[in-house]
Amino acid sequence: DGGITQSPKYLFRKEGQNVTLSCEQNLNHDAMYWYRQDPGQGLRLIYYSQIVNDFQKGDIAEGYSVSREKKESFPLTVTSAQKNPTAFYLCATRLGGGTGELFFGEGSRLTVL
Amino acid sequence: DQQVKQNSPSLSVQEGRISILNCDYTNSMFDYFLWYKKYPAEGPTFLISISSIKDKNEDGRFTVFLNKSAKHLSLHIVPSQPGDSAVYFCAASEKGAGSYQLTFGKGTKLSVIP
Repeated sequence: DGGITQSPKYLFRKEGQNVTLSCEQNLNHDAMYWYRQDPGQGLRLIYYSQIVNDFQKGDIAEGYSVSREKKESFPLTVTSAQKNPTAFYLCATRLGGGTGELFFGEGSRLTVL
Repeated sequence: DQQVKQNSPSLSVQEGRISILNCDYTNSMFDYFLWYKKYPAEGPTFLISISSIKDKNEDGRFTVFLNKSAKHLSLHIVPSQPGDSAVYFCAASEKGAGSYQLTFGKGTKLSVIP
């Protein structure tokens, strides 16, 4: 099946630990995005990548890092520098070129204890 | 500063009636607008979009209206069904931004009462 797979769906970590969230897609989409959702808030852009080996910071990149070594994969690392890491994280993809909708994964819920 | 605003956090509508969700934007460079629907603990799903060259786009029970002079768009759902109960996000993209990204509003929680 074509789609976007985020893992793990739920993750608990202790404060001060780095955490990596996985996002894999088999849609052959060029662009990939990471958003964060907090209660009562919209989706805020963390990082995005338009092509392999290239990525840009979004509105709230501090305390996060990404890589795009393969077209299919765009992992997000939540570092210990992120002050409020507990949130719902969403990965999205887009085919590329012109306008169009983003396709979202099912999300990963990170809880830092 | 919020560029996409959904000023109603919640909306309750009787089943069968019309639901109207509103969205305002401040960036005059936005030229493409989308609505997403989201259930709890799931990713958003695309609902409908509209380009700034149009003022209306319709898809089944869903219609989006765009008023560029007022920088306002609305989503109409007719008739509303209990399965429409979800959080609806308005999103916008900017023309000529060099890279494509969506700016989202905070969402409106729609409850359709049977």
